[in-house]
Amino acid sequence: GENVEQHPSTLSVQEGDSAVIKCTYSDSASNYFPWYKQELGKRPQLIIDIRSNVGEKKDQRIAVTLNKTAKHFSLHITETQPEDSAVYFCAASKGTYKYIFGTGTRLKVLA
Amino acid sequence: EAGVAQSPRYKIIEKRQSVAFWCNPISGHATLYWYQQILGQGPKLLIQFQNNGVVDDSQLPKDRFSAERLKGVDSTLKIQPAKLEDSAVYLCASSAGSHSNQPQHFGDGTRLSIL
Repeated sequence: GENVEQHPSTLSVQEGDSAVIKCTYSDSASNYFPWYKQELGKRPQLIIDIRSNVGEKKDQRIAVTLNKTAKHFSLHITETQPEDSAVYFCAASKGTYKYIFGTGTRLKVLA
Repeated sequence: EAGVAQSPRYKIIEKRQSVAFWCNPISGHATLYWYQQILGQGPKLLIQFQNNGVVDDSQLPKDRFSAERLKGVDSTLKIQPAKLEDSAVYLCASSAGSHSNQPQHFGDGTRLSIL
């Protein structure tokens, strides 16, 4: 069935360093890949998304890259700050609006 | 714009009791989703509505869970009877829908604890 694997499950970085989270999807028909940030006890919030006709998208300190051939996509956060600490979820969708979520990455930015 | 509204925020019940959750999506959003998020896991889709019709309920445990969106706006999710493994956060999300993928916007969720 459809599956999204996400790694690592936890990630600790020093403030100012970069963080990279990777996801692999199984359904080659997937064409939309959002990333959500979820702080403790709060709602998941969309931080960036990418569609399959684009290889990379950037928004200030956040970027997402997509490799359709390998069926994986990655979230890159540069110049990390303590407020970036949260759980990050990737998801994949293929036009029927249904999201398949990854298992999440707990990012800790150490001051 | 106002976000997705959910109530209640917290609910504690005993097993075998019934519970209902309510969701009001972003105004004008045709597609509404209910997700179950167990602690430490990603959200899992329970049911998806397009207006007042069900698009996908393949992962909804229909022997105990039900959901409706009668007028194509608000939605309720019910569990009857509840089991211990139903302890989770129930998230509602909405999107504008249409023929291409649109971002989903989530509510704050209802945290359900089963004793």
